[in-house]
Amino acid sequence: GQGVEQPDNLMSVEGTFARVNCTYSTSGFNGLSWYQQREGHAPVFLSYVVLDGLKDSGHFSTFLSRSNGYSYLLLTELQIKDSASYLCAVRAPNYNVLYFGSGTKLTVEP
Amino acid sequence: NSKVIQTPRYLVKGQGQKAKMRCIPEKGHPVVFWYQQNKNNEFKFLINFQNQEVLQQIDMTEKRFSAECPSNSPCSLEIQSSEAGDSALYLCASSPREVFFGKGTRLTVV
Repeated sequence: GQGVEQPDNLMSVEGTFARVNCTYSTSGFNGLSWYQQREGHAPVFLSYVVLDGLKDSGHFSTFLSRSNGYSYLLLTELQIKDSASYLCAVRAPNYNVLYFGSGTKLTVEP
Repeated sequence: NSKVIQTPRYLVKGQGQKAKMRCIPEKGHPVVFWYQQNKNNEFKFLINFQNQEVLQQIDMTEKRFSAECPSNSPCSLEIQSSEAGDSALYLCASSPREVFFGKGTRLTVV
């Protein structure tokens, strides 16, 4: 089966950072993607990782540990507008179908 | 930013009516996906194509749902006889490797 787990909610403070965790247990792995989704809107692509380690993309960084089935999305220098849901999606080897977590709703407070 | 174009943005149908939505994938992206996101924000993979050929589809898609991706025409997803439970956000995505989503078609079945 395909299990992708994320915490439902996360709160942080403007100017600090937030780490959105994702654990997965899937039959096969061909990369992991992170998306931002605002209420009523479609997911916006943030990052794709397939190798272990930290990938720094400025405001967003992503970490992957394939042996532990774990990834996180790190947002630094948080702004109020970063408040959104963040989705973790694991790509299966068969035809690259994405299996999504339920999303983590990040609330950034002043 | 995604260049996947979906139309219409909103669609309202009565139960039993046909509902059809279209998608123009980003140029040069050989793989097209359709996902359904329900009111609980859960994603369900429906079908994907590579160069007009179906790669994989779920059972639900094989019954009331039909989809095609002809060359030189928009891809389409059609529900033959809409049911209340089909009310959802229908997302089209295209991919060279990373997966980029369109803005979606929000279907309401009344």
